[in-house]
Amino acid sequence: EVQLVESGGGLVQPGGSLRLSCVASGFTFDNYWMFWVRQAPGEGLEWVANIQENGIEKSYVDSVKGRFTISRDNAKNSLYLQMNSLRAEDTAVYYCARGFLTGDYWGRGTLVTVSS
Amino acid sequence: QSALTQPRSVSGSPGQSVTISCTGSRSDVGRYDYVSWYQQHPGKAPKLITYDVTERPSGVPDRFSGSKSGNTASLTISGPQGEDEADYYCCSYAGDYTLVFGGGTRLTVL
Repeated sequence: EVQLVESGGGLVQPGGSLRLSCVASGFTFDNYWMFWVRQAPGEGLEWVANIQENGIEKSYVDSVKGRFTISRDNAKNSLYLQMNSLRAEDTAVYYCARGFLTGDYWGRGTLVTVSS
Repeated sequence: QSALTQPRSVSGSPGQSVTISCTGSRSDVGRYDYVSWYQQHPGKAPKLITYDVTERPSGVPDRFSGSKSGNTASLTISGPQGEDEADYYCCSYAGDYTLVFGGGTRLTVL
């Protein structure tokens, strides 16, 4: 059974940092692109970033470029999102998903709250 | 990276068909046949309903179907059921390895 479990969310002050993790199981992790999507409270889905199977190719939505870094450790079946210089508008549930053009499996998400 | 445009809400009864539109541009929906649709119930993670415009993952009922014409993609639900009441999001490839979502549509089953 494919499973994706996010962790690392929490309350952080504006300007602070947070590192999200997503542990995958039930499939061959290094055969798949992975991506992060976020959802602000009461709002819609927003694609954040993705990463190629080998970790070389990465892309970001403009609003997080230079602040967020996506990475992965295939030996640990893990996906990461390092978030720096956090802003109030980054407050959201962050989901990890499997795939490149399509997310066929999603985690349950982890909540990030940026507030003083 | 502008969000795709969806109606905020639609409604329909089990005896009807309901269609949700998703309008993009020549840079995303109009250029690539990589449109997917997701269903999200309150407090839950999104679930893939259709992909590559018309394809349906195993286990998704065949009352869900996707299509595309020009810069607009559509999701049609033929005879929506009570369990279909949810938010629906379209998503398109936008080039340079990026994706863009629509703003979401709330489906109410009458």
